[in-house]
Amino acid sequence: QKEVEQNSGPLSVPEGAIASLNCTYSDRVSQSFFWYRQYSGKSPELIMSIYSNGDKEDGRFTAQLNKASQYVSLLIRDSQPSDSATYLCVVSDGQGGKLIFGQGTELSVKP
Amino acid sequence: ETGVTQTPRHLVMGMTNKKSLKCEQHLGHNAMYWYKQSAKKPLELMFVYNFKEQTENNSVPSRFSPECPNSSHLFLHLHTLQPEDSALYLCASSQGGNNYGYTFGSGTRLTVV
Repeated sequence: QKEVEQNSGPLSVPEGAIASLNCTYSDRVSQSFFWYRQYSGKSPELIMSIYSNGDKEDGRFTAQLNKASQYVSLLIRDSQPSDSATYLCVVSDGQGGKLIFGQGTELSVKP
Repeated sequence: ETGVTQTPRHLVMGMTNKKSLKCEQHLGHNAMYWYKQSAKKPLELMFVYNFKEQTENNSVPSRFSPECPNSSHLFLHLHTLQPEDSALYLCASSQGGNNYGYTFGSGTRLTVV
């Protein structure tokens, strides 16, 4: 069973702090990695994708990938209350069939 | 319209009713998906269609019946549902393969009474 593991949280950080969200995956041949944000009662929204080892930055968001450790992370700098949501780590099925979703980490940013 | 559109946004139905959920994508994608999301639970993949052919049925009960007449439209026909089927039903589309992620619709909030 291919799996994506996340700490369900809730992760609580103060406004302006760095939020760090982590994820591990089991399929060694996965090639594509994504972070989705899902507000309560809404659909998931793609916010970051990463395909190679290292860091990828987009505004306040940085995705980090380490394929050797099978580890993906998302850093949110200068966290805002509007960042409060559930963040889904998503990994491609190494056989190219579909995406595998983690259970999500609930982030709460306190003013 | 752009993106992935789902209708209706909310649906309340009795256990003996028959209803259908509709999904339409305007992105030129060739794969479409139905997901179920129950409260405080992860997304559950239900069905996958590639080029309007069903490629995956994730052991979904027969009271859920999908239909994909073409690559842009996807339906989920519902009949004799149970209260535990109440959930957010999400449609998604993708370019095929998995290099670009999925684009989700806004979902249908289904309540079975």
